[in-house]
Amino acid sequence: GAGVSQSPRYKVAKRGQDVALRCDPISGHVSLFWYQQALGQGPEFLTYFQNEAQLDKSGLPSDRFFAERPEGSVSTLKIQRTQQEDSAVYLCASSLVGGQGTTSGRYEQYFGPGTRLTVT
Amino acid sequence: AQSVAQPEDQVNVAEGNPLTVKCTYSVSGNPYLFWYVQYPNRGLQFLLKYITGDNLVKGSYGFEAEFNKSQTSFHLKKPSALVSDSALYFCAVRDMRNNNDMRFGAGTRLTVKP
Repeated sequence: GAGVSQSPRYKVAKRGQDVALRCDPISGHVSLFWYQQALGQGPEFLTYFQNEAQLDKSGLPSDRFFAERPEGSVSTLKIQRTQQEDSAVYLCASSLVGGQGTTSGRYEQYFGPGTRLTVT
Repeated sequence: AQSVAQPEDQVNVAEGNPLTVKCTYSVSGNPYLFWYVQYPNRGLQFLLKYITGDNLVKGSYGFEAEFNKSQTSFHLKKPSALVSDSALYFCAVRDMRNNNDMRFGAGTRLTVKP
């Protein structure tokens, strides 16, 4: 497709339920990022993939959060035993270039519309 | 770690007037700086970036931003605002030495009145 897509767009979960959020990045983009955006705040980094490798998961708030990108394209963010504080918009972004070198950071990220998660 | 401050929660301007949305940053090394815009129910859209070179960068929809190293600022500007520019604007910074972690400001809501 032309852009990053995410599904579902809205998810309501009861506390304690597991949820899975999907991201389809732009075709050919090497890097994929997940962010959490709380109401009235800017996005906060969760994790980063270069192809299928998860190179940075330092932003994941707890071990209830798990992300994967097994074939280097579609990614899934899973949240186990959801809590009310997990309620937020979860944003996925992709970028053309990957790598740990200083040049890769030059490239802008393209964001999906987000998944709004509400935990009741 | 790097950080970004957007000191204004809200900016109001009249259509046709110039607009400025402020951003200051803090990084250990040299920064990569970005501006994104967010419209309701839509994802963040890239506007412009500063990587190196000319301090004045031009981006989409007539926006521009000026990198000021001494003031650690990267303010977003437009000479003549449009009602359709009304949206939420985010400044973001990356430290060149840590490309994975892009830090965003809290956002500034721009309202352009006809």
